[in-house]
Amino acid sequence: GAGVSQSPRYKVAKRGQDVALRCDPISGHVSLFWYQQALGQGPEFLTYFQNEAQLDKSGLPSDRFFAERPEGSVSTLKIQRTQQEDSAVYLCASSPQGPGSNQPQHFGDGTRLSIL
Amino acid sequence: DQQVKQNSPSLSVQEGRISILNCDYTNSMFDYFLWYKKYPAEGPTFLISISSIKDKNEDGRFTVFLNKSAKHLSLHIVPSQPGDSAVYFCAALSSGTYKYIFGTGTRLKVLA
Repeated sequence: GAGVSQSPRYKVAKRGQDVALRCDPISGHVSLFWYQQALGQGPEFLTYFQNEAQLDKSGLPSDRFFAERPEGSVSTLKIQRTQQEDSAVYLCASSPQGPGSNQPQHFGDGTRLSIL
Repeated sequence: DQQVKQNSPSLSVQEGRISILNCDYTNSMFDYFLWYKKYPAEGPTFLISISSIKDKNEDGRFTVFLNKSAKHLSLHIVPSQPGDSAVYFCAALSSGTYKYIFGTGTRLKVLA
């Protein structure tokens, strides 16, 4: 498809387990973003990649969260030793160019993560 | 510290009437604003944007107004249709940066 693809759509894990969430951005898009969306809230910035470089990870809640985009296309968000407060929808977005080009982002449908 | 605020969690409007969704921001460095629409179990989809050099941008039934002095923007939908029922998020950006700040959303319900 032509859009941003995220997998899995739903993930249930037990507290303490590690999870990996995948994002396939639109082909050729330079910028890739991860957001966390809690119930009733707007998307909250987690991290930003320009191609393969992670330029900002200031939004990652703790050192249990790790993101990578090794070849500048697919990205993975990994959460180690999950906690109940990690339960949220994780959204990935991409945009064609880097900062300074003022353009809308294209979002995937998200991964709903539930930690039991 | 909510830099982008949508103070109305929900709004109901009759089909055919105007829907007005509001958004306030506090950071004067924001100069690019966007509205996204979100259906359940889907990601947000881009609707319309406005740069701070303008005070109005129109696209079909959707118009965004920006009042820089009041740090306020609004989205007008005329006429409203049942398919417009969704959660609407406003977002703001400082040019040259990449960190979009989102509001908490307003759930619009258009009644047939």
